[in-house]
Amino acid sequence: QKEVEQNSGPLSVPEGAIASLNCTYSDRGSQSFFWYRQYSGKSPELIMFIYSNGDKEDGRFTAQLNKASQYVSLLIRDSQPSDSATYLCAVARSNYKLTFGKGTLLTVNP
Amino acid sequence: KAGVTQTPRYLIKTRGQQVTLSCSPISGHRSVSWYQQTPGQGLQFLFEYFSETQRNKGNFPGRFSGRQFSNSRSEMNVSTLELGDSALYLCASSFGGVDGYTFGSGTRLTVV
Repeated sequence: QKEVEQNSGPLSVPEGAIASLNCTYSDRGSQSFFWYRQYSGKSPELIMFIYSNGDKEDGRFTAQLNKASQYVSLLIRDSQPSDSATYLCAVARSNYKLTFGKGTLLTVNP
Repeated sequence: KAGVTQTPRYLIKTRGQQVTLSCSPISGHRSVSWYQQTPGQGLQFLFEYFSETQRNKGNFPGRFSGRQFSNSRSEMNVSTLELGDSALYLCASSFGGVDGYTFGSGTRLTVV
């Protein structure tokens, strides 16, 4: 079983729609959870982090965490073509190391 | 403020050679981590340094090593290069740990 699993996609949504990105993890000791965005040819950039069960909203982005189900998701409302990128889910058990999923490619069509 | 700087941006080496990559963290950041990114394996953790001490190491062979200097700059070294070492090597810095990582632009290593 992979430590962090994501659907590789591509996930294609029309402009203005809600994009839903999902991630499951295997380590029940994971304490913190992150979503990164990586444009082609660029380095990852942090979008959001979440530590507690429930939802966390930041602008058009909402992260959802369910530790019992070992599930993390990212919702992007009012998707824009500029949101087209690979979205990486990452989890951390300690403060020293992130374990990344392989990412989901999101395409937002104008 | 200046971001995380990695040098060089691109590198081509021959199998069997060794290579050293450099990372200058954001000013004030004391934690520097290194990751390898390949299309097949994604981002994989190499090691993390804090105040010149390696706090954690990933599952890579001993050919991969690193160090951190007193000014928090870090280097990683790969000896006896193999074709499979071709990858994007990313450095990330933060004040204390995984929270608030900022990644550098990476060094694209090609082994021929």
